[in-house]
Amino acid sequence: GAVVSQHPSWVICKSGTSVKIECRSLDFQATTMFWYRQFPKQSLMLMATSNEGSKATYEQGVEKDKFLINHASLTLSTLTVTSAHPEDSSFYICSARDEQGAETQYFGPGTRLLVL
Amino acid sequence: GENVEQHPSTLSVQEGDSAVIKCTYSDSASNYFPWYKQELGKRPQLIIDIRSNVGEKKDQRIAVTLNKTAKHFSLHITETQPEDSAVYFCAASRDSGYALNFGKGTSLLVTP
Repeated sequence: GAVVSQHPSWVICKSGTSVKIECRSLDFQATTMFWYRQFPKQSLMLMATSNEGSKATYEQGVEKDKFLINHASLTLSTLTVTSAHPEDSSFYICSARDEQGAETQYFGPGTRLLVL
Repeated sequence: GENVEQHPSTLSVQEGDSAVIKCTYSDSASNYFPWYKQELGKRPQLIIDIRSNVGEKKDQRIAVTLNKTAKHFSLHITETQPEDSAVYFCAASRDSGYALNFGKGTSLLVTP
């Protein structure tokens, strides 16, 4: 099946620093990717929809200036958490939509962020 | 927007018994209803899905039913095994390639 990777798989950073997370579709092109956030023992919450070549669409309550999304190619979307704070510590998971297949979306393995 | 409710939040069954998890949704425009299994620290894995033009779908020990009129769908796992223990999420969206609205999850524990 289609493969989506994320990098890094985990990251620890100091409060106030910025962290970039990459989401790649390895064997298919993805015009659309989704970014979700999952706090411990909670559900996945959609943060934003990333569209190749255009601005991302953010869900209500998600600060677009804090969570910068760039989808510069058909296989790569990046999420940058700017000026991270402890409350941003979470599990960030992307999914990519396979346009050529059954339009199914495939999840990446997730990135665990811990902000100290 | 779409609101997906999921019950129960925890479920404990004995090995060999059946487990049922129920979800309701609010948006009549939703047509795609997947179920995911998530083990600790890992990505959600699609275990079964159903579209609004189908009332029931089965894959070995797993089945999903959908009542579009009542806006609810359920996951049925028969002959449960300890390896079925995980958190299960239902979700709803317009179609398989659209953003998913997840339920809050059900932590299933299957005891030997």
